[in-house]
Amino acid sequence: KQEVTQIPAALSVPEGENLVLNCSFTDSAIYNLQWFRQDPGKGLTSLLLIQSSQREQTSGRLNASLDKSSGRSTLYIAASQPGDSATYLCAVTGIKAAGNKLTFGGGTRVLVKP
Amino acid sequence: DGGITQSPKYLFRKEGQNVTLSCEQNLNHDAMYWYRQDPGQGLRLIYYSQIVNDFQKGDIAEGYSVSREKKESFPLTVTSAQKNPTAFYLCASSQQGSNYGYTFGSGTRLTVV
Repeated sequence: KQEVTQIPAALSVPEGENLVLNCSFTDSAIYNLQWFRQDPGKGLTSLLLIQSSQREQTSGRLNASLDKSSGRSTLYIAASQPGDSATYLCAVTGIKAAGNKLTFGGGTRVLVKP
Repeated sequence: DGGITQSPKYLFRKEGQNVTLSCEQNLNHDAMYWYRQDPGQGLRLIYYSQIVNDFQKGDIAEGYSVSREKKESFPLTVTSAQKNPTAFYLCASSQQGSNYGYTFGSGTRLTVV
């Protein structure tokens, strides 16, 4: 059974520092991995989607890497801002999962202090 | 603008009542999903549908029911059999196939009163 873990559960950094968020998964047989952002009481906003054949994806200040063989992904957020404060979730679509369903990690809650 | 609309944002249920959460998408996506989010437990799949008139149970389907009569709509009913329904409910959709990501709605917070 696929398990997705995000460590740490919470992170606090001063404004301007780079953020590094980690995600690990137990079964490397995945179609893709997706990073989401969730603000309190809100839905999930998709940040980046990495296909299993890709090593990384970039969007603005965000860069996500994928190492499928070791079961790891890292989300980098450059020059963090207070507006980056949110919970970040990673999720994988497993090849063995029926219906292409997502398996989520528990999330990392980020606070960027001004 | 294409997206997923969930309504209502807040819903209160009395003991023994059935309530229905609405989810509508205009993205022309084939697949739709319902997830439940509880503090400290992450997101868990309740039901999913890959095509109209067909749906499958997820990991925590007991006490819930769904229908998929139209491609755009995937309502979730929380029945009285669901003993602990207080949670945040999220609807999502995706294009069929493994190359596509998910789009999520803004959620419905259900509280038992």
